[in-house]
Amino acid sequence: GQQLNQSPQSMFIQEGEDVSMNCTSSSIFNTWLWYKQDPGEGPVLLIALYKAGELTSNGRLTAQFGITRKDSFLNISASIPSDVGIYFCAGHFDYGGATNKLIFGTGTLLAVQP
Amino acid sequence: DGGITQSPKYLFRKEGQNVTLSCEQNLNHDAMYWYRQDPGQGLRLIYYSQIVNDFQKGDIAEGYSVSREKKESFPLTVTSAQKNPTAFYLCASSYSGTSDNEQFFGPGTRLTVL
Repeated sequence: GQQLNQSPQSMFIQEGEDVSMNCTSSSIFNTWLWYKQDPGEGPVLLIALYKAGELTSNGRLTAQFGITRKDSFLNISASIPSDVGIYFCAGHFDYGGATNKLIFGTGTLLAVQP
Repeated sequence: DGGITQSPKYLFRKEGQNVTLSCEQNLNHDAMYWYRQDPGQGLRLIYYSQIVNDFQKGDIAEGYSVSREKKESFPLTVTSAQKNPTAFYLCASSYSGTSDNEQFFGPGTRLTVL
């Protein structure tokens, strides 16, 4: 199955630092979603993007839908220990069957040292 | 509270036994999905259903079966034909056939086959 290229694979940072991660695809998407997964739990939706160029914030999190429709970025400002987890991007494009199937990135593991 | 429930949280089975994982949602979503997650990897789609009494194979359907007799329920059976069933299984749901592609996840079931 197709997967998105998500980078970096992992990040180890100090509390208070800003974080940036991105996803790229060979296909054009019409939706980009960003999820966070805590260990042993299901992913939680953080931000949803529906328009090329769209920039959306959720507290200290900001995500952007790339103008080419083939990439998306997630930034976390002033990181705190509870930001630890795996961050996944997910994209949707129309298969022609009106489905809501998503393609998921491979995840970015974020570790924050107090 | 609206949400998605999966049970049990942890499941142990002997090799060669079929096992059924439960997924229930009260979000009034039409579509439901099953994903498999292996350590350090992203989410891979097993099966999905856009409407009651209909379901489609995902990327890794071999060795799995599903049913969708009720809108609220989408159980997954891991059969003895699945060669490597030990994994973390995630159920999700979403609206169907709309521009809203957001999927919401349950807490997951960790299956260990001994």
